[in-house]
Amino acid sequence: IAGITQAPTSQILAAGRRMTLRCTQDMRHNAMYWYRQDLGLGLRLIHYSNTAGTTGKGEVPDGYSVSRANTDDFPLTLASAVPSQTSVYFCASSVQGGNRGQVTEAFFGQGTRLTVV
Amino acid sequence: EDQVTQSPEALRLQEGESSSLNCSYTVSGLRGLFWYRQDPGKGPEFLFTLYSAGEEKEKERLKATLTKKESFLHITAPKPEDSATYLCAVQARGQTGANNLFFGTGTRLTVIP
Repeated sequence: IAGITQAPTSQILAAGRRMTLRCTQDMRHNAMYWYRQDLGLGLRLIHYSNTAGTTGKGEVPDGYSVSRANTDDFPLTLASAVPSQTSVYFCASSVQGGNRGQVTEAFFGQGTRLTVV
Repeated sequence: EDQVTQSPEALRLQEGESSSLNCSYTVSGLRGLFWYRQDPGKGPEFLFTLYSAGEEKEKERLKATLTKKESFLHITAPKPEDSATYLCAVQARGQTGANNLFFGTGTRLTVIP
């Protein structure tokens, strides 16, 4: 089934540990994103990638890094986890195209629930 | 400052009782407005895209409309399976790319049998 796969689905992580959240899509979308969702704050963009080989910072990038080596994969790394990074993380992808770079609707994975203790 | 505000935060309806959810936005030029449905423990599921004022989209019991300052998601004769959180997002003009998508905090809809 086409779509976005995130792994793991949930994780409890000790503060200070390094963690990589995995995201793979098979829709050949050029744009990919990482969001975190916190109660009362909605979805906030962490990092994004408009195309393979490029990345950019979103609204809340501190403490996170990403890479986009190919079209399908967009891993998110927490170098040294802190409790404030406890959240639900969503990976998404979309087609970005047109003369003005208009972004079409984004498709989301099922999320990774991360608890940093 | 670009902003998206959804109201109400929560809404309880009897089955069959129609209502509307609101998404107000202030962005420096709108490229598109998106509605999503999110079930507990799941990722957001795309419903509609609206690009210009006056545009309407329908899907089953849902109808989305757009003006220059807000969008409404009308729910006609809702059923319990329509219970979910409904999210609104806008894409602003300016820089091209995926970083110009702003989400509201959602409306949590509960439909009681």
